Amino acid sequence: EAQVTQNPRYLITVTGKKLTVTCSQNMNHEYMSWYRQDPGLGLRQIYYSMNVEVTDKGDVPEGYKVSRKEKRNFPLILESPSPNQTSLYFCASSHREENTEAFFGQGTRLTVV
Amino acid sequence: AQSVTQLDSHVSVSEGTPVLLRCNYSSSYSPSLFWYVQHPNKGLQLLLKYTSAATLVKGINGFEAEFKKSETSFHLTKPSAHMSDAAEYFCVVTPRGASGTYKYIFGTGTRLKVLA
Repeated sequence: EAQVTQNPRYLITVTGKKLTVTCSQNMNHEYMSWYRQDPGLGLRQIYYSMNVEVTDKGDVPEGYKVSRKEKRNFPLILESPSPNQTSLYFCASSHREENTEAFFGQGTRLTVV
Repeated sequence: AQSVTQLDSHVSVSEGTPVLLRCNYSSSYSPSLFWYVQHPNKGLQLLLKYTSAATLVKGINGFEAEFKKSETSFHLTKPSAHMSDAAEYFCVVTPRGASGTYKYIFGTGTRLKVLA
């Protein structure tokens, strides 16, 4: 089954404790991205990757890191989480061709206390 | 610059009545436009997409949307609401024909409530 898999689905952590949210897709998509969803703000892009070893900042990259060592994986790293990073996070992937829709993971609800 | 505006943050309809969720976009390029639905505690599911093949686009679960270039709109409609349609809906624009950066730009969402 074609899917984007995120782990974990839920995470509660403390301020400053490094964490990684994993994202994996099995559709051989070139393009992957991370979004955060906050009430009233919709989804905002954090980082995106056009292909292996190619990453770039989205609209709200501060406090986040990503890597794209393999085509299927695109982990999101929070080196020193803070409470303002409490949010619902989505990973997405798509082909690079124009007009293609993005496929989304089930989301990771992160709480930083 | 591209942007998308969803004109209503909340819409309530009675079961069996029509649904209209409004979306306006701004794009320097000919856009691709999408509607996604998010049910509570779920990920985002594609409802339909416009990619210039036809201005009236049919999607899943009886939804459709019409691309109107003159009005820069892409409103989502359904003739008869069902209780299972209660969810949050996102209008999304993405540049078409642009090189370099690639981004899906989301509206702020419309929460649809269906009353029995």
